[in-house]
Amino acid sequence: GAGVSQSPSNKVTEKGKDVELRCDPISGHTALYWYRQSLGQGLEFLIYFQGNSAPDKSGLPSDRFSAERTGGSVSTLTIQRTQQEDSAVYLCASSRGLLAGYTDTQYFGPGTRLTVL
Amino acid sequence: DAKTTQPPSMDCAEGRAANLPCNHSTISGNEYVYWYRQIHSQGPQYIIHGLKNNETNEMASLIITEDRKSSTLILPHATLRDTAVYYCIVRVRGSQGNLIFGKGTKLSVKP
Repeated sequence: GAGVSQSPSNKVTEKGKDVELRCDPISGHTALYWYRQSLGQGLEFLIYFQGNSAPDKSGLPSDRFSAERTGGSVSTLTIQRTQQEDSAVYLCASSRGLLAGYTDTQYFGPGTRLTVL
Repeated sequence: DAKTTQPPSMDCAEGRAANLPCNHSTISGNEYVYWYRQIHSQGPQYIIHGLKNNETNEMASLIITEDRKSSTLILPHATLRDTAVYYCIVRVRGSQGNLIFGKGTKLSVKP
């Protein structure tokens, strides 16, 4: 079946502009995650949605970052007033969440490469 | 979740078995061992997971020692496309939320 999809695949923006990144999770997955990976660095957790519960925003680096998940499916990550240090690959993952039982495997999308000039 | 230790890099000849070790000496009885890999410029890919028994799927085998303090991911016949960073992650059974990725092992498969 279809995996996690993300759009756009690449985004170049100017410092100070706002950007929106989109994630389409695997159908039926109730949990959705956003991570980012700066050049040569490991994966950094940003935010986690589980069903209709309040999201875990503990990984968001500043209040310029926000995310929504509409209808329990598609998610949008918004970065306001982008800075050069926001340049990274933004990865989305989904999983069965609370329906998974003992183990909950996350499946990742291909990522969006954001470059802030 | 327990901490894991992996070698930073390994080489393997194409067609040979790649054996990637992971130490997780503080693992507790209700924690699973997961393996993911990340091929250059792609998102991480789930490979396999296990609790205490050895596991095998179409991608790899996972061997967990009897004391569960270490494990080995085996790619039986490595190809050039297996060149990637491999992450070993320990996770409590039934836990939700984000995965914590370490630095992983950079596996280079050479012709």
